[in-house]
Amino acid sequence: EIVLTQSPGTLSLSPGERATLSCRASQSISSSYLAWYQQKPGQAPRLLIYGASTRATGIPDRFSGSGSGADFTLTISRLEPEDFAVYYCQQYGSSPLFTFGPGTTVDIK
Amino acid sequence: EVQLVESGGDLVQPGGSLKLSCAASGFIFSGATMHWVRQASGKGLEWVGRIRSHVNNYATTYAASVKGRFTISRDDSKNTAYLQTNSLKTEDTAVYYCARSEYSSSWYSFDSWGQGTLVTVSS
Repeated sequence: EIVLTQSPGTLSLSPGERATLSCRASQSISSSYLAWYQQKPGQAPRLLIYGASTRATGIPDRFSGSGSGADFTLTISRLEPEDFAVYYCQQYGSSPLFTFGPGTTVDIK
Repeated sequence: EVQLVESGGDLVQPGGSLKLSCAASGFIFSGATMHWVRQASGKGLEWVGRIRSHVNNYATTYAASVKGRFTISRDDSKNTAYLQTNSLKTEDTAVYYCARSEYSSSWYSFDSWGQGTLVTVSS
């Protein structure tokens, strides 16, 4: 089973700052199999990035994804007030077929 | 516009059963793979299982935590996916989301989600 670890657990930043979120897999995975989601309280998750670096439809270009092998990064170039949320990485693998990381909370400093 | 609407969540006793539905609109349902993902209150996301399209013989795959107790099905004529939950345990208490994956974005991620339906297992 591939385990995803996200760091930091909580990131306290101010609007306009840059956010860098990390997702590390317990073994190397294909970049095609790595995605990022944003979830706000009381809402369903929303797909931000798939294939490690491709923005989903309608996602602003301040969100970018990068990485390969076992280390992946989600970057928010300049935080907007609506970006304060929980972010999950997710991978496709063997058993279980899909796993999520524990999440990183981005909150207002 | 893609829409997924879950229903069927309820309070049920341990050992009981519940059938959840996910009504889809705004896309070609028959071509999509449909998933169920759950989230306990204040916790992270857990993938429950998926059902592929007719092209892949409606193949199903489940997480180990629900295998043998949960069954996913679909009715393409009704644009609806289902999650039959049996032998429910208190640890199955969660919001259950249905989600879609398909060729336009990636088969390996979930590009649309419903609003979720709450299943509470308690005596």
